Amino acid sequence: EPEVTQTPSHQVTQMGQEVILRCVPISNHLYFYWYRQILGQKVEFLVSFYNNEISEKSEIFDDQFSVERPDGSNFTLKIRSTKLEDSAMYFCASADLTRETQYFGPGTRLLVL
Amino acid sequence: QQQVKQSPQSLIVQKGGISIINCAYENTAFDYFPWYQQFPGKGPALLIAIRPDVSEKKEGRFTISFNKSAKQFSLHIMDSQPGDSATYFCAASSGGSRLTFGEGTQLTVNP
Repeated sequence: EPEVTQTPSHQVTQMGQEVILRCVPISNHLYFYWYRQILGQKVEFLVSFYNNEISEKSEIFDDQFSVERPDGSNFTLKIRSTKLEDSAMYFCASADLTRETQYFGPGTRLLVL
Repeated sequence: QQQVKQSPQSLIVQKGGISIINCAYENTAFDYFPWYQQFPGKGPALLIAIRPDVSEKKEGRFTISFNKSAKQFSLHIMDSQPGDSATYFCAASSGGSRLTFGEGTQLTVNP
């Protein structure tokens, strides 16, 4: 069964450093999403991406965040200057043309020290 | 108005019992209500979903009940098993856009 994959599974970084989280969505999917989950809290929407542009973003997704689809398979989330409060699990998700079901990857656990 | 409220925060049931998790929403534009199951260290996985044109959907031991007028929906797990122990999230979306998640329910099924 096709699945969303994410790398790395864990990342530890120093405050102020840039991080890039990578995702490979399901191959025939056209809609891509990033969510985050701070430890013990609910999953929160960050951004959605379609046709090589952001289609929707939350108030969390400020100028420190950016997304990119650098090639036909990868979808990345960049945090330019990490803060302590960026520590969370980051999930990538993808959906097909119907957008009915979003399929989530296993997540990247980001720890900012 | 975008919030989805979920209860209880945690739930302990005995093997073979019924687990019931409730969610309420305010945004009447929501038209898709999925439930996700999450095991520790894993991403949320779709369990079952419903649209507001039906009041109930059943898939195996899992049933969603939907009350449009009350703006509430619930997940029932029949014959709960220890393998069902996980965190369950309700969610809602409108027109296939962002998912708004509830706070999550940590379910423990004792053998």
